[in-house]
Amino acid sequence: DAKTTQPPSMDCAEGRAANLPCNHSTISGNEYVYWYRQIHSQGPQYIIHGLKNNETNEMASLIITEDRKSSTLILPHATLRDTAVYYCIVRVSPKAAGNKLTFGGGTRVLVKP
Amino acid sequence: DTGVSQNPRHKITKRGQNVTFRCDPISEHNRLYWYRQTLGQGPEFLTYFQNEAQLEKSRLLSDRFSAERPKGSFSTLEIQRTEQGDSAMYLCASSLAGDEQYFGPGTRLTVT
Repeated sequence: DAKTTQPPSMDCAEGRAANLPCNHSTISGNEYVYWYRQIHSQGPQYIIHGLKNNETNEMASLIITEDRKSSTLILPHATLRDTAVYYCIVRVSPKAAGNKLTFGGGTRVLVKP
Repeated sequence: DTGVSQNPRHKITKRGQNVTFRCDPISEHNRLYWYRQTLGQGPEFLTYFQNEAQLEKSRLLSDRFSAERPKGSFSTLEIQRTEQGDSAMYLCASSLAGDEQYFGPGTRLTVT
């Protein structure tokens, strides 16, 4: 799986959009970008994933650059409950056998009132 | 609650003792994963099952670790002769044929 680089931490204001960057310059054509988050004392939680196109669900939006070497997770209206460590993960097709998740250090996001 | 459950949530044991953790995946999920997470780090993959077959093991899984999923439903992770370095959060996740993984709350192990 390709390596990802994320800033170690960032703050954002409650109610504002939080934009979380991730670099994955060695991503292969068959690798997807996944985002998970881990709230304190809980297991990781799936947020969203994408291959080439931008994706949106009820939790967040994922913007992937045209060259696929970087992406941004957008939390449109951050709340205090969004305070967590956010992990950007690159992995092969989700239908492949095995397909373990390889977590990096993630970005520790603190949402402030 | 139909999510992934893990028991116990916390375990304190003395060095050299054996411990066993249990994971109950989401019903009908055929894949089950074990991860370990130490303080300040992201989770690290240990092993994975598809139904009852253990298909992959990490080099992190030393001979003292053994995992089973006898009927393709719940799984157990046993650590023999625990060491202080085994202190960590042990996370279980399940998925349906490669879809996103759903994690349990974890079992926090402290070896004294």
